[in-house]
Amino acid sequence: QKEVEQDPGPLSVPEGAIVSLNCTYSNSAFQYFMWYRQYSRKGPELLMYTYSSGNKEDGRFTAQVDKSSKYISLFIRDSQPSDSATYLCAMSPGGYQKVTFGIGTKLQVIP
Amino acid sequence: GAVVSQHPSRVICKSGTSVKIECRSLDFQATTMFWYRQFPKQSLMLMATSNEGSKATYEQGVEKDKFLINHASLTLSTLTVTSAHPEDSSFYICSALTGGGETQYFGPGTRLLVL
Repeated sequence: QKEVEQDPGPLSVPEGAIVSLNCTYSNSAFQYFMWYRQYSRKGPELLMYTYSSGNKEDGRFTAQVDKSSKYISLFIRDSQPSDSATYLCAMSPGGYQKVTFGIGTKLQVIP
Repeated sequence: GAVVSQHPSRVICKSGTSVKIECRSLDFQATTMFWYRQFPKQSLMLMATSNEGSKATYEQGVEKDKFLINHASLTLSTLTVTSAHPEDSSFYICSALTGGGETQYFGPGTRLLVL
């Protein structure tokens, strides 16, 4: 079993839809949870960074962490075509050290 | 935002040769840089943690004598794939941690093809 499971998609949604992206994990030591966005031929860029369980909101993006279920989510409201990218979940026991990534979900927002 | 560059972006080499990949933080000093590898349809996997002025720390299963890492300055880390073989063909990507460890910035990656 992989430490981090993420559906690779692709996921296609119409513009304006709410997008839900999810990851599950098995390592109880993970305390820091991140979401990255990666456009084609570019490196990942950090979207959200949360510590432990709870919600965090930043503009159209909301990250949720449920440590009891070992489940994390990223919600994108009012999705735009420019949101089309691959979204990677990532997590670690301590900050940016020893980060484990999910495989990434490819999202396409259709105008 | 901060910029991390990688060079080259793409390299094709013959089996048995060595390839050097550079990772530079362009507008900040990075005491710590990370090297990742991504095979097709797999996730980014951490290979090693590179600390300026000291030896790199390699993850389990990564051969330190095959993947030589040098972090001689606060803005440059290099990964040398020695005696490359076709199974080393992959996407290699680096990241640099800001001085206070607040965030990490990724380079655009280097695609290596070993024939």
